[in-house]
Amino acid sequence: DGGITQSPKYLFRKEGQNVTLSCEQNLNHDAMYWYRQDPGQGLRLIYYSQIVNDFQKGDIAEGYSVSREKKESFPLTVTSAQKNPTAFYLCASSRRGMANEKLFFGSGTQLSVL
Amino acid sequence: SQQGEEDPQALSIQEGENATMNCSYKTSINNLQWYRQNSGRGLVHLILIRSNEREKHSGRLRVTLDTSKKSSSLLITASRAADTASYFCATVGSSNTGKLIFGQGTTLQVKP
Repeated sequence: DGGITQSPKYLFRKEGQNVTLSCEQNLNHDAMYWYRQDPGQGLRLIYYSQIVNDFQKGDIAEGYSVSREKKESFPLTVTSAQKNPTAFYLCASSRRGMANEKLFFGSGTQLSVL
Repeated sequence: SQQGEEDPQALSIQEGENATMNCSYKTSINNLQWYRQNSGRGLVHLILIRSNEREKHSGRLRVTLDTSKKSSSLLITASRAADTASYFCATVGSSNTGKLIFGQGTTLQVKP
């Protein structure tokens, strides 16, 4: 069953703590993306990666970090520098990181601050 | 930076009616895509229309694109309660390398 798996579904962060959100895909896609969604808002791009061992900042990268050591995995770390981390985080992938590709999304992780 | 702006922000209709959502964008585009999101879930791709296309159909969905007005519309015909969701347009700029920029979405409620 091909797709994108995000875990955990719910995550709580304490003050000053770093947390890591997992994203795995078995679609053999080259490109992967992280978006943040605030209530009633659209999606904002945090980071994206078009190939293994390479990634670029999106529009709101401050306070976040990523790695792309394997094609199928693109974990997102929310660092303590991100002062307003409460949001719904969505991971996506596409066959290539090219203009005419559609995105496939995971089911999201809801991050809340304790 | 938000590229697409959807209108209306919220729409409530009766089952069987048609629903029309509009999207306006600011810069020239390579393509425009529409996605659907059920509450608390990920997005699902509905349809992609390229900048040289004017209209596209997929089942009960009809998408139009007017590049001179920098706008697109999504029409859902004969709506069903199961169509209740948020709908987003997303654009890839002609100078972009694949970054998809999303609008803020239209929330559609279809009453049975």
